[in-house]
Amino acid sequence: GQQVMQIPQYQHVQEGEDFTTYCNSSTTLSNIQWYKQRPGGHPVFLIQLVKSGEVKKQKRLTFQFGEAKKNSSLHITATQTTDVGTYFCARAKTSYDKVIFGPGTSLSVIP
Amino acid sequence: DSGVTQTPKHLITATGQRVTLRCSPRSGDLSVYWYQQSLDQGLQFLIQYYNGEERAKGNILERFSAQQFPDLHSELNLSSLELGDSALYFCASSVGPRNEQFFGPGTRLTVL
Repeated sequence: GQQVMQIPQYQHVQEGEDFTTYCNSSTTLSNIQWYKQRPGGHPVFLIQLVKSGEVKKQKRLTFQFGEAKKNSSLHITATQTTDVGTYFCARAKTSYDKVIFGPGTSLSVIP
Repeated sequence: DSGVTQTPKHLITATGQRVTLRCSPRSGDLSVYWYQQSLDQGLQFLIQYYNGEERAKGNILERFSAQQFPDLHSELNLSSLELGDSALYFCASSVGPRNEQFFGPGTRLTVL
């Protein structure tokens, strides 16, 4: 099926440590989107990746799209308490395809 | 503030009842999406509309229906409610079907 998997499910880090979450698809992706949801909040769009091997940076966040376009990663350098939340990847193969969100990685940052 | 509005914010009702959730997309956005998020669960895609037409369907129960009106606002109707329907329902909008989505604050539905 058109599954999107994310690992890990949960991650607890000490403030200042790095964090990485991985998104894996069973099928080739045309694009991948990343969203962040703070506790009690709604998902907020972070970025969209389209090209094979693409790497994009937003301050301490680095997003990568695999060469085979079947996986993606989000890396946070030197985590801060403001990074707490659940990070979701999402994909839709075409504009007529249902949107599939990964199960998310919940990040806790210990001050 | 994403620009997407959802009403009501909270809804408490009883099993067997019917409710309507409303969503107004960002100005200029033609696509509207509905999602269900149960406690500590991920986002389950329900349905997507584009400029008034149904574009994609997810795991939406037959008891649930939705529509997008000519002014582009959307409503999600949930009927014969069950305890398991208690969840946070998000609406999102985007310019087009594959663009970034802007989520509303959600409607928290509690079925007693």
